[in-house]
Amino acid sequence: GAVVSQHPSRVICKSGTSVKIECRSLDFQATTMFWYRQFPKKSLMLMATSNEGSKATYEQGVEKDKFLINHASLTLSTLTVTSAHPEDSSFYICSARRDVSADTQYFGPGTRLTVL
Amino acid sequence: GENVEQHPSTLSVQEGDSAVIKCTYSDSASNYFPWYKQELGKRPQLIIDIRSNVGEKKDQRIAVTLNKTAKHFSLHITETQPEDSAVYFCAALLEGSGYALNFGKGTSLLVTP
Repeated sequence: GAVVSQHPSRVICKSGTSVKIECRSLDFQATTMFWYRQFPKKSLMLMATSNEGSKATYEQGVEKDKFLINHASLTLSTLTVTSAHPEDSSFYICSARRDVSADTQYFGPGTRLTVL
Repeated sequence: GENVEQHPSTLSVQEGDSAVIKCTYSDSASNYFPWYKQELGKRPQLIIDIRSNVGEKKDQRIAVTLNKTAKHFSLHITETQPEDSAVYFCAALLEGSGYALNFGKGTSLLVTP
């Protein structure tokens, strides 16, 4: 159990377009999901915490109007990169916490975004 | 907030040797410490975790030790194999806080045959 999926796995888009990334918990309900971005050979940088039914909490320096997060159900959170630019190219990974009493997080496979 | 330091950034060992990666944390309230293994282009995989009510946990060739007083914890891999080559991340968290994991910067482990 504890499987998290992400879609798409890879996306290439033109500068100025928007890209939506989905994160799903397949066999459990996740009240909290987290979005990270990871540059090559770097650690995971938390972007935002997504709670089902409420607004996401963004980390300092992350533009909430650029990185739109929606957590409409207990199994789905989406990240939309609006008006993407080449500097937004990165590896975006989500994770889900299985239940409120345990903080083990399970990661999705990641989405490689390339903005031309 | 929590600050996690991880050392070394790179580690090269010969197959069969042991590898040790160390992390320190700043928030004495943190009580959950997972370790993740990430292969190139793949998701981080939880390999072992420890909570602050124990000092050591072992799972086959992998062990984690925790020193709460000194606020550091370590990952020990014995009898290393080439497939252990990956980037390893430590993390710390105050369990139940709702906060995200605070990750170390990672250790790139290379196991040479």
